[in-house]
Amino acid sequence: AQSVTQLGSHVSVSEGALVLLRCNYSSSVPPYLFWYVQYPNQGLQLLLKYTSAATLVKGINGFEAEFKKSETSFHLTKPSAHMSDAAEYFCAVSRTGTASKLTFGTGTRLQVTL
Amino acid sequence: GAGVSQSPSNKVTEKGKDVELRCDPISGHTALYWYRQRLGQGLEFLIYFQGNSAPDKSGLPSDRFSAERTGESVSTLTIQRTQQEDSAVYLCASSSPGVYEQYFGPGTRLTVT
Repeated sequence: AQSVTQLGSHVSVSEGALVLLRCNYSSSVPPYLFWYVQYPNQGLQLLLKYTSAATLVKGINGFEAEFKKSETSFHLTKPSAHMSDAAEYFCAVSRTGTASKLTFGTGTRLQVTL
Repeated sequence: GAGVSQSPSNKVTEKGKDVELRCDPISGHTALYWYRQRLGQGLEFLIYFQGNSAPDKSGLPSDRFSAERTGESVSTLTIQRTQQEDSAVYLCASSSPGVYEQYFGPGTRLTVT
């Protein structure tokens, strides 16, 4: 069975500050890991994915995440937050990557303040 | 099409009524998924289609829930005898063969009164 834990249902940062959203996973097989972003009243958009290649993954909008097997983590970071980054972020894991259901964390709402 | 579309965008129904939710995937995407997002919670997997077959229905919460897909395209999720706990946003996603990304539609917000 696979699961994802996102620590912190709400995170608030100042504009220009570092963004760190935490994700830990549990998987009995090598996982495929994803971060999605959801803006209000919209569907989910893929930010980045880990598919067993490079452990440091760069995504859209300046976000990146590092796969750390020893810590079973896949935390999402961005060096400098923008107001437009305010949204809900979901970490997800799948068993095989393609044609496989995603198991999501409960999400972290990011607030960016002036 | 340009993206995954879902209809209706909002649906309010009375407890006990049946509802149908529709998903139009991206053209050529053979895999289609339904998820449910209840308020304040993450997304729960419901069912996965490969073509018109559903090899994984493990997430359907009860026999009141069913789904079908025709022509390797449109899918319909049907909820019979709706209950208040069915209130949620129902999201559809599709993906093309050999690709990791699932592309999500905007969802259908279902409210059962």
